[in-house]
Amino acid sequence: ILNVEQSPQSLHVQEGDSTNFTCSFPSSNFYALHWYRWETAKSPEALFVMTLNGDEKKKGQISATLNTKEGYSYLYIKGSQPEDSATYLCACHTGNQFYFGTGTSLTVIP
Amino acid sequence: DSGVTQTPKHLITATGQRVTLRCSPRSGDLSVYWYQQSLDQGLQFLIQYYNGEERAKGNILERFSAQQFPDLHSELNLSSLELGDSALYFCASARGTGGSVDTQYFGPGTRLTVL
Repeated sequence: ILNVEQSPQSLHVQEGDSTNFTCSFPSSNFYALHWYRWETAKSPEALFVMTLNGDEKKKGQISATLNTKEGYSYLYIKGSQPEDSATYLCACHTGNQFYFGTGTSLTVIP
Repeated sequence: DSGVTQTPKHLITATGQRVTLRCSPRSGDLSVYWYQQSLDQGLQFLIQYYNGEERAKGNILERFSAQQFPDLHSELNLSSLELGDSALYFCASARGTGGSVDTQYFGPGTRLTVL
């Protein structure tokens, strides 16, 4: 079983603040890193798929970076809005299956 | 709406019973993935099918089985149900090659309650 860890577990920020979370994974047997946004009572929604060391992806005010050598990915949200409130989940693919972290729950306070 | 449909939405059954969960992927998607989310655990990958064939297997119990049909819909069969099988079961579909980089689109889930 692969250990994928996310920190912090939860986060409260004020509207307009920028924030970031971490996803850590074992760097061996790494194929891809997926980020998802999961709102309460909905399904996970794909944000990014990243594979290469140094990869950077951006979608609106959300961006992510990947370091496969040291085994971590950062997700950044610039200028958080209340609608960004959700759980952000990462998943590591080892080539034959996915391992998910437990997520970072973000609450953006208006 | 991701375009992935799952039925039923809710299912309540008793221990020892068998149930079938159904997933219809987005039009054109060849891969279907099954996941389990129980209260005490995060999202767990169960199994993946690509174009009718099993592609990857995760933490799927022997009491569980799945298949993907020629029309690409998939079914997850859960048998000899136990209380601990109560969970939210998601399926997701993807268009690509069935590999690790395909973007997955999740269905709304089936909530299974075993009494």
